[in-house]
Amino acid sequence: GAVVSQHPSRVICKSGTSVKIECRSLDFQATTMFWYRQFPKQSLMLMATSNEGSKATYEQGVEKDKFLINHASLTLSTLTVTSAHPEDSSFYICSASPPRTGNTEAFFGQGTRLTVV
Amino acid sequence: AQSVTQLGSHVSVSEGALVLLRCNYSSSVPPYLFWYVQYPNQGLQLLLKYTSAATLVKGINGFEAEFKKSETSFHLTKPSAHMSDAAEYFCAVSFSSSGSARQLTFGSGTQLTVLP
Repeated sequence: GAVVSQHPSRVICKSGTSVKIECRSLDFQATTMFWYRQFPKQSLMLMATSNEGSKATYEQGVEKDKFLINHASLTLSTLTVTSAHPEDSSFYICSASPPRTGNTEAFFGQGTRLTVV
Repeated sequence: AQSVTQLGSHVSVSEGALVLLRCNYSSSVPPYLFWYVQYPNQGLQLLLKYTSAATLVKGINGFEAEFKKSETSFHLTKPSAHMSDAAEYFCAVSFSSSGSARQLTFGSGTQLTVLP
């Protein structure tokens, strides 16, 4: 299968600071990547669609200025949580689909556990 | 709008027993259906997928699922549970659209516990 790598796997930051999470497709190019958020014991909720070379598309209720997404290359999307607060603590996961699968299969990163103290 | 319903947030089975995790979907167009497994503090791993080919889909680790259009179901089964199967399982649906990456709608998840 294809490989999607997320970094860091865990991060602890102070309230008010910003945190950047990287999502890389290691063996394929991805014009589109997806960012999900998962609360404890809950399912994944789509936050936004990251589009290479253009603005991200955010789901309803997701603050664009809070969660900045940049997709500057075909293998890298970044999610920056700005002015983080304890309620932003969560598990963040990205995904992408290799073209060779006919875009029928999504591969996920390992996830990033964000804790804001 | 598409949606996925997983019946049972927690399922417990004995080691060696049949595993059955239920998933029903709602979609106005032919769906793509997926089952993913998640271990603690990790990302999701694809178990199997249905993409309008064979209705009985075999996946990794001995799992399989059957797409039943009349019942709008895609239940996951495994004949004999192993301790290593204990994890969270998610059913997901996606529209079939060419040229687009997979934006998934997930069910609420089912925590599988395997008892010795």
